[in-house]
Amino acid sequence: EIVLTQSPATLSLSPGERATLSCRASQSVSSYLAWFQQKPGQAPRLLIYDASNRATGIPARFSGSGSGTDFTLTISSLEPEDFAVYYCQQRSNWPTFGQGTRLEI
Amino acid sequence: QLQLQESGPGLVRPSETLSLTCTVSGGSISSDTYYWAWVRQPPGRGLEWIGSMSYSGSTYYNPSLKTRITIFVDTAKNQLSLRLYSVTAADTAVYYCARFYWYFDVWGPGALVGVFS
Repeated sequence: EIVLTQSPATLSLSPGERATLSCRASQSVSSYLAWFQQKPGQAPRLLIYDASNRATGIPARFSGSGSGTDFTLTISSLEPEDFAVYYCQQRSNWPTFGQGTRLEI
Repeated sequence: QLQLQESGPGLVRPSETLSLTCTVSGGSISSDTYYWAWVRQPPGRGLEWIGSMSYSGSTYYNPSLKTRITIFVDTAKNQLSLRLYSVTAADTAVYYCARFYWYFDVWGPGALVGVFS
């Protein structure tokens, strides 16, 4: 099983600031990594797939980078609606998720 | 627009079988491109993939759950179903169905299932 470790567990920032979230895989997943956003009481929402491709309708302030074992989700300038929990997911063998990063105001 | 909706009992007793159905609307479950998946999330915790299935019957199960689960598709009803056997309190979670093509791109709103005696 490929284990994904996200850091930090909690990130406290203000609107307008830049957010950088990390996801590290226990072995290489090439570029086969996605990022999701989840708000309370809602299903996760796909933001980024294949490490750096924005999903349909996702604002340009969200960007992803990385390959192999180290990946980053960057939110260039935080909007109030961006405060949520973020998960990474790999699809190299069977799908696994990271434990999440809570982005709070 | 494709929509998914989970349905099923909100409470199950320990050792019994959890049964959920996901109804797909706005599109066909009989897609050559996509798989259909179940993902769960215990209260206050992270996401766990349960398993995926194509309309033609190919299935992939989480190794940690494969002895206790069955996933199947009813193409006539455009539905995906999950059976989780011999449940315990650890199976209490929100259960989501999702469309899957390497990643989960369309999700249902989720169904909370509690396991209580």
